[in-house]
Amino acid sequence: AQSVSQHNHHVILSEAASLELGCNYSYGGTVNLFWYVQYPGQHLQLLLKYFSGDPLVKGIKGFEAEFIKSKFSFNLRKPSVQWSDTAEYFCAVNYNQGGKLIFGQGTELSVKP
Amino acid sequence: NAGVTQTPKFRVLKTGQSMTLLCAQDMNHEYMYWYRQDPGMGLRLIHYSVGEGTTAKGEVPDGYNVSRLKKQNFLLGLESAAPSQTSVYFCASSYSGLSSYNEQFFGPGTRLTVL
Repeated sequence: AQSVSQHNHHVILSEAASLELGCNYSYGGTVNLFWYVQYPGQHLQLLLKYFSGDPLVKGIKGFEAEFIKSKFSFNLRKPSVQWSDTAEYFCAVNYNQGGKLIFGQGTELSVKP
Repeated sequence: NAGVTQTPKFRVLKTGQSMTLLCAQDMNHEYMYWYRQDPGMGLRLIHYSVGEGTTAKGEVPDGYNVSRLKKQNFLLGLESAAPSQTSVYFCASSYSGLSSYNEQFFGPGTRLTVL
């Protein structure tokens, strides 16, 4: 079955620390990959996406992600987090089935000032 | 543009009551989706629609019905609410389901509690 796994359920960091959130997906051929962010009390917003081409994609607010096809991974990174990055982060995969997204369980990030 | 809007924002129901959640989008998107968000489970697709007049089941469709009578609206119905349907419901839309055009835009959510 198609599935997406986020290994970290809750990450706590201090400001200026580096961030890496893991995301792995089950094999399913060609995929499109997304990272969404949900700030407290708000709806999901797109951080970045990968469709094809350069496997290192850059998104908003200094986030980037690298698609490693051989590892079925799409990890999210940021060199230096800020308190305002406190949010829940979701990895999502489209297996080219009519636009449907499969979401990971989410990772809650808490950044201490 | 308002993007994707949802009504109501909050609702409390008693077991067995019915209700309808309304989602509206003004981006002329073909595809619309209903998800539920539960702690530790991410978002799970309930139903979706690939165009006006069409609907299809997602991952967790039981206990819900949907209708897409107009392109801009996607309704989610609970005929007989159960406590297990206590959740936050998100609507989303996308231009299409094809690769580069399937970025989904989300509404603000509806927090539903079933007592």
